Amino acid sequence: SAVISQKPSRDICQRGTSLTIQCQVDSQVTMMFWYRQQPGQSLTLIATANQGSEATYESGFVIDKFPISRPNLTFSTLTVSNMSPEDSSIYLCSAGTDIAEQYFGPGTRLTVT
Amino acid sequence: AQSVAQPEDQVNVAEGNPLTVKCTYSVSGNPYLFWYVQYPNRGLQFLLKYITGDNLVKGSYGFEAEFNKSQTSFHLKKPSALVSDSALYFCAVREGTGRRALTFGSGTRLQVQP
Repeated sequence: SAVISQKPSRDICQRGTSLTIQCQVDSQVTMMFWYRQQPGQSLTLIATANQGSEATYESGFVIDKFPISRPNLTFSTLTVSNMSPEDSSIYLCSAGTDIAEQYFGPGTRLTVT
Repeated sequence: AQSVAQPEDQVNVAEGNPLTVKCTYSVSGNPYLFWYVQYPNRGLQFLLKYITGDNLVKGSYGFEAEFNKSQTSFHLKKPSALVSDSALYFCAVREGTGRRALTFGSGTRLQVQP
């Protein structure tokens, strides 16, 4: 199994600012993804983080708002840009190999005031 | 497009009784199916998966799930519930080929009463 860490674990940010969330995996993985979750609710996929190329975004999510980097097989960042209170959520990084299960980080709880 | 339905928002069961959390899915091609559990203020923990082979799969903490292709279901079961099993459970699906990201159900809150 893969162990995934995220930083920061939580943050309170002001409207209009940006926050970058880091995701580190303890082993090389094929796939990395970013999800968003409201507390107690289901997960919504934001994008697939592609190594060395632009991320693949889901409908409703755009690169200008959620820029993603993945410089190597074990690390990715998600930036939440020009934040508004609607961006308050839990952001989860996940990673896995092609045929196996995906593992999830502990999440980053973001509150925008 | 792929989708997952968890028809029960909450399941209540007495400790020691068997539990079932329901999941049905829709996907093109062969499904890869997963169950995850989430405890309060924690990330998702992997419980078990079905990729191919035996329809009954066993996972962590005594949980098991049965893949039923004709009913497109993948219900989570445990013979004897524990109070510590109380948590939020998610069923997820992905296509065997093509799209690799998981599609999650809405989640089912399991409450085990002592």
